[in-house]
Amino acid sequence: GAGVSQSPRYKVAKRGQDVALRCDPISGHVSLFWYQQALGQGPEFLTYFQNEAQLDKSGLPSDRFFAERPEGSVSTLKIQRTQQEDSAVYLCASSSSQGRQGYGYTFGSGTRLTVV
Amino acid sequence: DQQVKQNSPSLSVQEGRISILNCDYTNSMFDYFLWYKKYPAEGPTFLISISSIKDKNEDGRFTVFLNKSAKHLSLHIVPSQPGDSAVYFCAGGKTGANNLFFGTGTRLTVIP
Repeated sequence: GAGVSQSPRYKVAKRGQDVALRCDPISGHVSLFWYQQALGQGPEFLTYFQNEAQLDKSGLPSDRFFAERPEGSVSTLKIQRTQQEDSAVYLCASSSSQGRQGYGYTFGSGTRLTVV
Repeated sequence: DQQVKQNSPSLSVQEGRISILNCDYTNSMFDYFLWYKKYPAEGPTFLISISSIKDKNEDGRFTVFLNKSAKHLSLHIVPSQPGDSAVYFCAGGKTGANNLFFGTGTRLTVIP
């Protein structure tokens, strides 16, 4: 597709439930990023992939968060045993650039996760 | 630890006038900065950038100014148009690092 596609757009999860969020990057984009945006905050870095390799997961807030990109294209962010503080918009971005981050980013529209 | 701060949550400006959005940062290691624009229900889109070796970058109606000594940057939009109404995020980055640090955003409303 022409842009970064994220699904689902909205997800309501009961506390303790596992969720999986999907990101379809722009075809051919090497770099893929996940960001978390809590209400009233700016996006915060979670993790970075270069092709299928997860090069940086320093932003993942706990071991309940797991991300993968097994074939270097589609990525899934999984959150186990969701907590209320996980409620946020999860943004995926892809880029063809491996240089300075941010210049070539294309963000998806995000998945809004609400944990009740 | 908020390394990039946007202290004005919102700003309203009349169409045709100048919009000035401000951003402060604490991390002196940032060597470039970016502004993103976000419409409701869409992801942020890149707007303009500036390297720390410059103090000004201009692109059409958009100009970003950087004051390194004050750790402050600003985005000027002249003239402002109703289509500019959006949330604007400032972000700082460091060459070689994998992540950007975003501010909390400023919601700009341009009144026709």
